Order: sequence, then C-alpha cells, then structure tokens
Amino acid sequence: SQQGEEDPQALSIQEGENATMNCSYKTSINNLQWYRQNSGRGLVHLILIRSNEREKHSGRLRVTLDTSKKSSSLLITASRAADTASYFCATLAGAQKLVFGQGTRLTINP
Amino acid sequence: NAGVTQTPKFRVLKTGQSMTLLCAQDMNHEYMYWYRQDPGMGLRLIHYSVGEGTTAKGEVPDGYNVSRLKKQNFLLGLESAAPSQTSVYFCACSIRQVSYEQYFGPGTRLTVT
Repeated sequence: SQQGEEDPQALSIQEGENATMNCSYKTSINNLQWYRQNSGRGLVHLILIRSNEREKHSGRLRVTLDTSKKSSSLLITASRAADTASYFCATLAGAQKLVFGQGTRLTINP
Repeated sequence: NAGVTQTPKFRVLKTGQSMTLLCAQDMNHEYMYWYRQDPGMGLRLIHYSVGEGTTAKGEVPDGYNVSRLKKQNFLLGLESAAPSQTSVYFCACSIRQVSYEQYFGPGTRLTVT
C-alpha cells in the first residue's frame, strides 16, 4: 500500500512557468522527502522537511508541509527544460521503511 | 567516488533461471535497500539491511533473497525467476537511519520471459 500519493499524475507547463505538485499521506510522519527521477535513471534526493517544519527552500524549490491536512507541496519556480522528470514524495511508514508515492510526471515545454 | 553502482544494467532471464544483482557503495553508509519500480506502482521496498551481516524483509520480499556480507555490498538474488519479477531494480543507501536521505544507484532493468 502506498503511504504518499502525488497529485497530479502528470503535469505539462511552459518553460519559465512555476510547477506545483502535491503529496498526501495517511499516517503520522517523522519527515517527508522529495526525490526527482530523470528518465532511465535512479532517484535523486531533492529536499527533506521535518514534521515540525512548515516550509523549506532549496534554490528554485519550495516545499511546504501541513501535518494537520497530512499533505505537502513541491513548488518549482521559473521552470527549465532540465526540470522535466518524475517527482516522488516519500514518507516513513513504521520504523524502517521509506514509502514512495507513484510520482508526478512533469514535462517542461520549450 | 562512484557513489552507488549496480551490476548488471540489463538482463534477460528465462522463467526458472536464477541470478544475482550486485549493489556496491563507496559512501560508507550503514543502511542499504533494494526496491523494485513498476509502471504506476512507484517504488516498493523488497529487502533492506541496517548493517553488515543483517537483513530484513520489506514490502514485497517473496521470491527474493539478500545478503550483506560486506558493509559496502548488498546482493539481491532471484532463485527461480518468474515473469512477475520483470521490473527495474534500484539499490539505495543511507548514512544511518531510514529517515535520512537515500542515495540511489542507476538501476537494473530485468526482463523475465
């Protein structure tokens, strides 16, 4: 069973626009992580937000966390063609397992 | 530093054959993981290890075995491959607890016919 679920499943925008992806989860978390996967490659860690944090920034990335709604969002500002990838949220389920959602496929059109 | 490497990159097996996937990391991380990724399913944890000599089951362990004889290596074995094991397999590691960020290898694409 999936702990995190991303929305939308696919997103297509023009270069320069902002992209927002959402993640909902079911149980209490210690932290929530976002990863990027380029086609045919492994996942790359983007950002980690702890349960006592509400917002975190890293370059053009902004992540928010609302534990009362059990949801998180990833905002990519001023998108570039190189941002085309799948984005996954991941949360802890139990003590030893990081559970990944099904991902959002982001396409940046030139 | 190579980070996390996986061998082989691609493999085609016939039903019933066996094989071992090798994951190696030079990051000196304690925790290592094996995932499989299927279309529309995200990543699912097969087995993991919290240190040399230890292994534990993940979400979908059936049909797989693992070993962690050395800290830097984590092996995933398929004793009798089935078509349902056609997937892309990813190895990952993290420095300590599973709550820390994970570093992934490039993946192994396995097809079982």
